[in-house]
Amino acid sequence: DSGVTQTPKHLITATGQRVTLRCSPRSGDLSVYWYQQSLDQGLQFLIQYYNGEERAKGNILERFSAQQFPDLHSELNLSSLELGDSALYFCASSAPTDTQYFGPGTRLTVL
Amino acid sequence: QKEVEQDPGPLSVPEGAIVSLNCTYSNSAFQYFMWYRQYSRKGPELLMYTYSSGNKEDGRFTAQVDKSSKYISLFIRDSQPSDSATYLCAMSAWTGTASKLTFGTGTRLQVTL
Repeated sequence: DSGVTQTPKHLITATGQRVTLRCSPRSGDLSVYWYQQSLDQGLQFLIQYYNGEERAKGNILERFSAQQFPDLHSELNLSSLELGDSALYFCASSAPTDTQYFGPGTRLTVL
Repeated sequence: QKEVEQDPGPLSVPEGAIVSLNCTYSNSAFQYFMWYRQYSRKGPELLMYTYSSGNKEDGRFTAQVDKSSKYISLFIRDSQPSDSATYLCAMSAWTGTASKLTFGTGTRLQVTL
């Protein structure tokens, strides 16, 4: 158990809908990262937050947004969902000079 | 050209074999090197973490980094069926508060009885 929690585990929704994925980092970690993993692609970095502020952005679509709250948990919002958004979404957290520890992921299915 | 190249496999070996997994990279700014193990549809699990050239050993696992050649390896001794998973190499360049990881595409390993 990495100490990173993600909810929900599974999410099934329809095209055009909006969903919110939630992540709680390990105790004491200030950084939260979001990744997308599709069947035909590896882990794609989406975005990083550090202590509530956006720090790095990867290949995140404009339909996607994230935020980190004062209690350090983070949410990834996905809107106007398309079939191609079906994937595993992972959250990871880290301390400033440490590597990243991953949560169990949220499996999103868009029908 | 991708920043990190990793042979996707699949790699099939008999139980007890020594496994060698490799990644090459092009970004000389990478300072930290990691290996993650990912079982099917689970979150990546950190196996090894190193920041210097040379070898680092942990049980049956040895991570090797050669910064001059931009090449990293993970060796698994006495491989077990439970080692069957996808192995991802990852690298980062520390920038103060951001340590974005760049991942290889992963090598799928199958250890057979």
